[in-house]
Amino acid sequence: NAGVTQTPKFQVLKTGQSMTLQCAQDMNHNSMYWYRQDPGMGLRLIYYSASEGTTDKGEVPNGYNVSRLNKREFSLRLESAAPSQTSVYFCASSELGGVTDTQYFGPGTRLTVL
Amino acid sequence: AQSVTQPDIHITVSEGASLELRCNYSYGATPYLFWYVQSPGQGLQLLLKYFSGDTLVQGIKGFEAEFKRSQSSFNLRKPSVHWSDAAEYFCAVGAGAGNMLTFGGGTRLMVKP
Repeated sequence: NAGVTQTPKFQVLKTGQSMTLQCAQDMNHNSMYWYRQDPGMGLRLIYYSASEGTTDKGEVPNGYNVSRLNKREFSLRLESAAPSQTSVYFCASSELGGVTDTQYFGPGTRLTVL
Repeated sequence: AQSVTQPDIHITVSEGASLELRCNYSYGATPYLFWYVQSPGQGLQLLLKYFSGDTLVQGIKGFEAEFKRSQSSFNLRKPSVHWSDAAEYFCAVGAGAGNMLTFGGGTRLMVKP
């Protein structure tokens, strides 16, 4: 039982390049989330998926797209990377998506955009 | 909209000393409050959570937190800190559709031997 896994662990991009961050969970959770973590700002929600087939914007969605490929996988895409997107990205999942649910986090992807 | 403030960016304590990390929240209704810990290079792990009932909640690793509605606070405490507690700690409030968590900026704890 690996929990929440993310690939890659590290990535360096040039401005304007695109990439997809992958996330998978093996806990049969319904809801999945993408956050970015910047120093002094905690984690901010980019997008979430309450259940398979649905996605919604979070606090900072601009410049990102997401795909809930199936119940297990939730990917985050940067179509044209910008230096402001340099951050650590965390994927999380929760069983039902309710406000009292515990979210389980992956180990993160450290992205640098030059 | 909800917000969370962690006033202390860095805290250093000696091993064996007590610890209190502060968290203040702003939310119009009954808050759902969480404390997470992030060890270096790792994802976040839930320490404890508060929804209702007893205002003193116990968590893992010997941590506890007290909800004080009158002060809009949810401070995290531990009676005796171990070197392995060195990490970054995040307070969060859950609200709205999709269990959106709003995080504070985090407090980095360093433990002196």
